[in-house]
Amino acid sequence: EAGVAQSPRYKIIEKRQSVAFWCNPISGHATLYWYQQILGQGPKLLIQFQNNGVVDDSQLPKDRFSAERLKGVDSTLKIQPAKLEDSAVYLCASSQIQGSNYGYTFGSGTRLTVV
Amino acid sequence: AQRVTQPEKLLSVFKGAPVELKCNYSYSGSPELFWYVQYSRQRLQLLLRHISRESIKGFTADLNKGETSFHLKKPFAQEEDSAMYYCALKAGGNKLVFGAGTILRVKS
Repeated sequence: EAGVAQSPRYKIIEKRQSVAFWCNPISGHATLYWYQQILGQGPKLLIQFQNNGVVDDSQLPKDRFSAERLKGVDSTLKIQPAKLEDSAVYLCASSQIQGSNYGYTFGSGTRLTVV
Repeated sequence: AQRVTQPEKLLSVFKGAPVELKCNYSYSGSPELFWYVQYSRQRLQLLLRHISRESIKGFTADLNKGETSFHLKKPFAQEEDSAMYYCALKAGGNKLVFGAGTILRVKS
């Protein structure tokens, strides 16, 4: 089975610029997650989708971050405007169904550096 | 509050020595715990789940609700076990809460 695809792998931008990340989950996985992993910390959930609906976005900084999952498949995460503290690896993950006892499948991540 | 604590940032052992990576959690509901591993230049991947009580690559982990712990153990470390290990708790809505991770370094 193909894994979770993310692009780009790396991105360097200046503060106050905007950036977008893309994720294509495993086929048939209804639940999609975006995590932020700051250096030295564990991944932190930003937003969770069930099909194309948002289940949890309580930790998403909504003044600058936005995400969508049109048609319940691919997803994009956007930051506008970026701040220095947004430098992190952004991980996308998917799982078969909400409430599954199985773990997620993660993508390789996008490493964002804000200078 | 949902929280996962991994007290050691780095654990260094010699090849063949026993390994125990500590994980403690805080959760008011019935916990589901996982261990994830990230090898160098690879993506984060599931190692094992407490609910399956399985042994993967020689690693086991037992959920101790009394001590709110889910320590990862292996009797004899191998060099290929060197990696970053994350303990994770499934909280409400299938959300995973991760600890900060422990780097395991196995020396020859």
